[in-house]
Amino acid sequence: AQSVTQLDSQVPVFEEAPVELRCNYSSSVSVYLFWYVQYPNQGLQLLLKYLSGSTLVKGINGFEAEFNKSQTSFHLRKPSVHISDTAEYFCAVRPYSSASKIIFGSGTRLSIRP
Amino acid sequence: DTEVTQTPKHLVMGMTNKKSLKCEQHMGHRAMYWYKQKAKKPPELMFVYSYEKLSINESVPSRFSPECPNSSLLNLHLHALQPEDSALYLCASSQATNEKLFFGSGTQLSVL
Repeated sequence: AQSVTQLDSQVPVFEEAPVELRCNYSSSVSVYLFWYVQYPNQGLQLLLKYLSGSTLVKGINGFEAEFNKSQTSFHLRKPSVHISDTAEYFCAVRPYSSASKIIFGSGTRLSIRP
Repeated sequence: DTEVTQTPKHLVMGMTNKKSLKCEQHMGHRAMYWYKQKAKKPPELMFVYSYEKLSINESVPSRFSPECPNSSLLNLHLHALQPEDSALYLCASSQATNEKLFFGSGTQLSVL
């Protein structure tokens, strides 16, 4: 079985400050890793994904994430946030063997203060 | 066209009503999905269609009935819902079932 833990339900940050959203996962099999963003009244949009290769993955809107196999983590970072980054962020995993069953974390609400 | 379009955006229905949610994509994707999302919770998978055939039903109650009339359309028929079924219903599509998901904006459903 797989599980995804996002320890922080809410992260308040000042505009132009750096941010890190934490994600840890548990799985007995190899998984692909994803970060999705959900803006208010919208569906989810893929920010970035890790399939294989370099452990540092760059995504859209200036976000990046680093896969750490030993710590089973996939933390999301941005060096300088903008008001428009206010949204809900979901970490997700999908086992290699089960193409459709994406498992989402509980989400982290990122709120940017001016 | 890289959008997944869902209609209606909002729906209020009584427990005896019959209604349908619609989802459309013109990206040539062959996998389509229904998710249910409660407030401040992650999306929960309900159904997956692959090549217009139902491939996954996550033990969803029969008051929810999916339909895939063709490769571009996905419907969710609703009948005799309960107030606890109130949620945001998200449609998604992907090129194949192992590709990234494209989500629609959802239908906010309220059951009175």
